[in-house]
Amino acid sequence: GAGVSQSPSNKVTEKGKDVELRCDPISGHTALYWYRQSLGQGLEFLIYFQGNSAPDKSGLPSDRFSAERTGGSVSTLTIQRTQQEDSAVYLCASSLGTGGWSTDTQYFGPGTRLTVL
Amino acid sequence: AQSVTQLDSHVSVSEGTPVLLRCNYSSSYSPSLFWYVQHPNKGLQLLLKYTSAATLVKGINGFEAEFKKSETSFHLTKPSAHMSDAAEYFCVVSGAGNKLTFGGGTRVLVKP
Repeated sequence: GAGVSQSPSNKVTEKGKDVELRCDPISGHTALYWYRQSLGQGLEFLIYFQGNSAPDKSGLPSDRFSAERTGGSVSTLTIQRTQQEDSAVYLCASSLGTGGWSTDTQYFGPGTRLTVL
Repeated sequence: AQSVTQLDSHVSVSEGTPVLLRCNYSSSYSPSLFWYVQHPNKGLQLLLKYTSAATLVKGINGFEAEFKKSETSFHLTKPSAHMSDAAEYFCVVSGAGNKLTFGGGTRVLVKP
């Protein structure tokens, strides 16, 4: 497809387990972003990649969260030792990543709904 | 630092009447501003964006927004609401590193 895809669409896990969330950006987009949408916090930025590098990890809520991107394409967000407060919808977005950063339009995937029991 | 305030968490309109969603922003430099819409259980879709060109921006589905620097506002309007406009709308400002800062969202209810 032409859009951003994410998998799985839903994930239910037990507290303390690790989870991996996957994002496939739009082909040719060099920039990739992760956001989290939760009832209490709204939509918040987690991390972004330019190519395979992550210049800004400031939004990661704890060291249990990590992300990587390989080949300038697919990205995985890993949450270790999940907690109930990690329950949220995790959104991925991608953009062209060309000059004029602030005008770059981000296109969002449908999200992964994570539920930690 | 930047921030976005959506002044109404819920807006209820009748079908065929105008829609106004209010947004105020704070940014330390000339911002890019966006409106995104999220239908239930769907991803975020871009409605329109402002990038320091024309202050009146036209988007998809009949929506438009006006950038007013003096008021630090970027309100979204539509002349005539349709049932399909029922959704949550987010005002967004883009900052350093293209990090998006989202407003709290406005949920729109359209009554027949």
